[in-house]
Amino acid sequence: GAGVSQSPSNKVTEKGKDVELRCDPISGHTALYWYRQRLGQGLEFLIYFQGNSAPDKSGLPSDRFSAERTGESVSTLTIQRTQQEDSAVYLCASRRGEVNSPLHFGNGTRLTVT
Amino acid sequence: LAKTTQPISMDSYEGQEVNITCSHNNIATNDYITWYQQFPSQGPRFIIQGYKTKVTNEVASLFIPADRKSSTLSLPRVSLSDTAVYYCLVGPANYGQNFVFGPGTRLSVLP
Repeated sequence: GAGVSQSPSNKVTEKGKDVELRCDPISGHTALYWYRQRLGQGLEFLIYFQGNSAPDKSGLPSDRFSAERTGESVSTLTIQRTQQEDSAVYLCASRRGEVNSPLHFGNGTRLTVT
Repeated sequence: LAKTTQPISMDSYEGQEVNITCSHNNIATNDYITWYQQFPSQGPRFIIQGYKTKVTNEVASLFIPADRKSSTLSLPRVSLSDTAVYYCLVGPANYGQNFVFGPGTRLSVLP
C-alpha cells in the first residue's frame, strides 16, 4: 500500500520567508511524528500528534515553528521567518495504535534557506 | 523513555557478519526494542523488533539477553548495499509517548 508521503521533496527559500511542509500519513495510522535531521546528524524530535491533538510539542525549537493535523490525516509543519539554521531535512512518520507498532517514515522535505 | 547507547561507527567487509550492540540500561517492563536502517536521502525504515530472547526475519536477527539491558542486531553476510546508519529505539512503555532517536551507528561495508 501507499507509504508516508511528504511534499515538497525539496524547498529552497529566502531567509525571512515562511514555509509550509506537508505530510500525508498512511491511512489508519493514528499517530504522526515530525523530526528534523541536519546534514550528517541524527533525528531531532519536533512534535507528535495523537489524532489531531499534540500531546508533546517539546521538541519545537522556537515559536517560529508550528504544526497542525486534520483529524487522523494530513499534517502541516509551518516555519515562519525562516533562518539559515532551519536548513535541514524534515521527516514525518506515522504509526498504528498498537503499543509496539513501528514508525513508518516518509523520505522527507529537504529545506534550504538562503 | 530509555536512553540508548550505540557505537558511532563500524567498518566491515562484504560477506562478513556484522553485530551492532545497543545498551539500554533503564528499559521499562513494557518497552519493545526496534531497529531502523537509514540510507542517504531517505527516511529510516523498520528492520526488526523484539521484546526478549531472539527474533529473526529475512533481513536480520535480534538478540536480547534475559535482563534486556542491551540488544544486538546481527546482519548476516553484509553487502555494499548494507552501508547505512542503524538506529536502536526503545519504547514506548505507554502508547502515545514520543520516540527519541540516538545518533545511531554508521556502518560502512567495504569491498
